[in-house]
Amino acid sequence: DVKVTQSSRYLVKRTGEKVFLECVQDMDHENMFWYRQDPGLGLRLIYFSYDVKMKEKGDIPEGYSVSREKKERFSLILESASTNQTSMYLCASSPRTVNTEAFFGQGTRLTVV
Amino acid sequence: GDSVTQMEGPVTLSEEAFLTINCTYTATGYPSLFWYVQYPGEGLQLLLKATKADDKGSNKGFEATYRKETTSFHLEKGSVQVSDSAVYFCALGLRGYNKLIFGAGTRLAVHP
Repeated sequence: DVKVTQSSRYLVKRTGEKVFLECVQDMDHENMFWYRQDPGLGLRLIYFSYDVKMKEKGDIPEGYSVSREKKERFSLILESASTNQTSMYLCASSPRTVNTEAFFGQGTRLTVV
Repeated sequence: GDSVTQMEGPVTLSEEAFLTINCTYTATGYPSLFWYVQYPGEGLQLLLKATKADDKGSNKGFEATYRKETTSFHLEKGSVQVSDSAVYFCALGLRGYNKLIFGAGTRLAVHP
C-alpha cells in the first residue's frame, strides 16, 4: 500500500516557537507538496519540491520554509509560529510524470497559542 | 496565472438526488484534470481524472468530462447516497513538473 506519512496528527505550539512538520513517502516520487487547508479557502499551496534540494514557492510561502535533503522526506518549517498559522497542513507526493495523481497524508492539525 | 474555480458550498441534497458540482479552470497549455474527495477526518484521495479534451473520468458512480472549449470539468452523480457526504476538490495538473493546483473545495451533505 502506498503511503505518505506525516509525523504528527495534532500539534500545539506557542507563539514564537520554531515548528517542524515532517512528511515521508515510500513511493520514490519526485514531487512533494505542502498545502494548508482552511475553511472556505480550500487547499493553498505553500511549497512544492520537484527534486532533492529543489523547491518552488507556492501561493502562500510567507512565514514558512522547507527542506528536502532526501527524496523521501519533505519538511515544512515555521520559523516563528504565529496564531494565524493555526491550520490543517497536508503533505502530498506524486510522480513527475504528467497525468498522474498525488497521494496525501492524513494531515497535521496545528494550533498555535 | 493557473487557477481552479469551484462552486461554493455547502451543497445539501436528499438521498437519491442528482448531483452537479461545477469546476472551471484557467491554465496555459493542456493540463490534466482531477477530482479528489476528502471524507471527514481523512486526507484527500483521488476520485477520478481526465488527461485530455473530451476524456470522461468515472468512478463510484461519479463522472466528469474534460471540456476544453468551456474550460470545465463538472462533477456529476445520478443518485447520491449518505455515504457520499464529503468535501470535493477539483484540481489541475500542470505539464512539466506535474504541479497540482486545487480549487477551494465544495462540501456535500446528503440527508436520508
